Amino acid sequence: ETGVTQTPRHLVMGMTNKKSLKCEQHLGHNAMYWYKQSAKKPLELMFVYNFKEQTENNSVPSRFSPECPNSSHLFLHLHTLQPEDSALYLCASSQEREGPSEKLFFGSGTQLSVL
Amino acid sequence: AQTVTQSQPEMSVQEAETVTLSCTYDTSESDYYLFWYKQPPSRQMILVIRQEAYKQQNATENRFSVNFQKAAKSFSLKISDSQLGDAAMYFCAYRSVRTSGSRLTFGEGTQLTVNP
Repeated sequence: ETGVTQTPRHLVMGMTNKKSLKCEQHLGHNAMYWYKQSAKKPLELMFVYNFKEQTENNSVPSRFSPECPNSSHLFLHLHTLQPEDSALYLCASSQEREGPSEKLFFGSGTQLSVL
Repeated sequence: AQTVTQSQPEMSVQEAETVTLSCTYDTSESDYYLFWYKQPPSRQMILVIRQEAYKQQNATENRFSVNFQKAAKSFSLKISDSQLGDAAMYFCAYRSVRTSGSRLTFGEGTQLTVNP
């Protein structure tokens, strides 16, 4: 148990559906992240939130919409996805400060299949 | 932009033996951090070991150690006395000191199988 919980664990959706992924961290961290993990590809950073403010959007299509209502919760809203968006979506958190790198704590991910 | 390359998609090792996973990276920076993460079937990424580039001494964590060759931009992971629980996907990752936060650049991963 690393203190980062993601729901649902699995999700199957059609291309016209709207769904949301949820991430909650119980570690008191001030930064949260969404990563996409596709088969045979490196993990791709999608979004970064520091103190609830989005600080990075790595050219992610608008069909992915993040929301960070507070420092403990992070959502990824999905709509009109494409089959190539099928992947494992990982949430992570960290405590940001100056100096040596902080550890990233990951959740177990949501395995998304878009039909 | 930095890149991380893991040239071994799959590796296998006999239980109790030693295995080395390779990682190379490309950067123009002189100071940075390198990491090895483990992803077991539970899918949860777990930090195995990390290395600060300014430190010449190789990092060690129990049975896990790295061979950091800065000039060669190489960062291999050695697992000694391999155990069945070591079976997982292993990712090498890079982080620049210039960026705030824990934004990591990952390699493609190496799937490690441990044979009993």
